[in-house]
Amino acid sequence: AQKVTQAQTEISVVEKEDVTLDCVYETRDTTYYLFWYKQPPSGELVFLIRRNSFDEQNEISGRYSWNFQKSTSSFNFTITASQVVDSAVYFCALSEADNAGNMLTFGGGTRLMVKP
Amino acid sequence: DSGVTQTPKHLITATGQRVTLRCSPRSGDLSVYWYQQSLDQGLQFLIQYYNGEERAKGNILERFSAQQFPDLHSELNLSSLELGDSALYFCASSVGPMYEQYFGPGTRLTVT
Repeated sequence: AQKVTQAQTEISVVEKEDVTLDCVYETRDTTYYLFWYKQPPSGELVFLIRRNSFDEQNEISGRYSWNFQKSTSSFNFTITASQVVDSAVYFCALSEADNAGNMLTFGGGTRLMVKP
Repeated sequence: DSGVTQTPKHLITATGQRVTLRCSPRSGDLSVYWYQQSLDQGLQFLIQYYNGEERAKGNILERFSAQQFPDLHSELNLSSLELGDSALYFCASSVGPMYEQYFGPGTRLTVT
């Protein structure tokens, strides 16, 4: 069965600090997809990134970067030079290709608070 | 704005009642998903439809049902409501399997 663990329930940083959100997943499938979503205080879920299991290249998008390591089953998310607007709950999610559907299994989320 | 719309935004109802939540996917998306977000259960997958057909079921209660119509909009029906059904219900859509899902703003259901 698939499982996603986000061990950090809450992180507090001061603006301009770098912060890494951890995500560890479990799956028996060889083909799967990993995602990160952001849920700001307004409540909507915003898609950030999708990565397939065959692509271990790190990805950078502005201040955001993602580190995918199959050897440790981790897909960590780093925000560089954090800003107050980054305050949100961040969810890591997994989808297995072998499932009849492709539902997302979410981790418990990490609440990030960026203080000015 | 994800392009996924959900109505209503808020819903307050009493125990034992029945409600219908509505979702319109992004233009061109064939897959629709329903998720429930509650404090104790987190974000949980309920059910998926693809081009009108049920594709997958998660931990959806028997009191809950859904359907996807020919115009691809979807409805989630919740009946015999209990206090524990109070949650944020999200609809999401994607172009197809394994693509990223875009979420609507959610419907906050409060059962009193």
